[in-house]
Amino acid sequence: GAVVSQHPSWVICKSGTSVKIECRSLDFQATTMFWYRQFPKQSLMLMATSNEGSKATYEQGVEKDKFLINHASLTLSTLTVTSAHPEDSSFYICSARDVGRSSYNEQFFGPGTRLTVL
Amino acid sequence: QQQVKQSPQSLIVQKGGISIINCAYENTAFDYFPWYQQFPGKGPALLIAIRPDVSEKKEGRFTISFNKSAKQFSLHIMDSQPGDSATYFCAAKTGANNLFFGTGTRLTVIP
Repeated sequence: GAVVSQHPSWVICKSGTSVKIECRSLDFQATTMFWYRQFPKQSLMLMATSNEGSKATYEQGVEKDKFLINHASLTLSTLTVTSAHPEDSSFYICSARDVGRSSYNEQFFGPGTRLTVL
Repeated sequence: QQQVKQSPQSLIVQKGGISIINCAYENTAFDYFPWYQQFPGKGPALLIAIRPDVSEKKEGRFTISFNKSAKQFSLHIMDSQPGDSATYFCAAKTGANNLFFGTGTRLTVIP
């Protein structure tokens, strides 16, 4: 149980285009989902927290107009990188929290999406 | 400001040896301390976690030691195997709040 999927697993796009990444909780309802960014050999950096049905909360320094997050249902959150540029190339990871599963409010992570912007 | 400090950055251990990774924190409000294992190109997977009301937790070859007074916790991997070669992240959080990750330790277990 507690499986989180991401789609696509990797994507290559041209500079200036937009890319959408999906994050799904497969066997539980996730009221809260998180989006992280990870550069090579570095730690995970939290980009934003999204709660189902409300606007995402972005971390300081993360452009909300560039990284659009939608959490329209309890099992799906999407991250859209708008007008992508090469510096947006990174590994994007989502996680989901199943409040009902554990009193520890554990986060379960997706497998990540490798974005390469040419 | 790094909320959770992790060391070493990289670690090489012989097969069968003990791998030890250390983390330290400042926020005494943290009440949940997980360790994650991440393989290249994959998302992090929860390995083991501890609450501050216990000093040690063991699951198979993996043990967390927790020192509340020193605000430190560590991961011990006994009988390390080449398949354990991965990057390990410690983390900490308070209640339903966000996770704060350490900087990661790249473990290499050589046969």
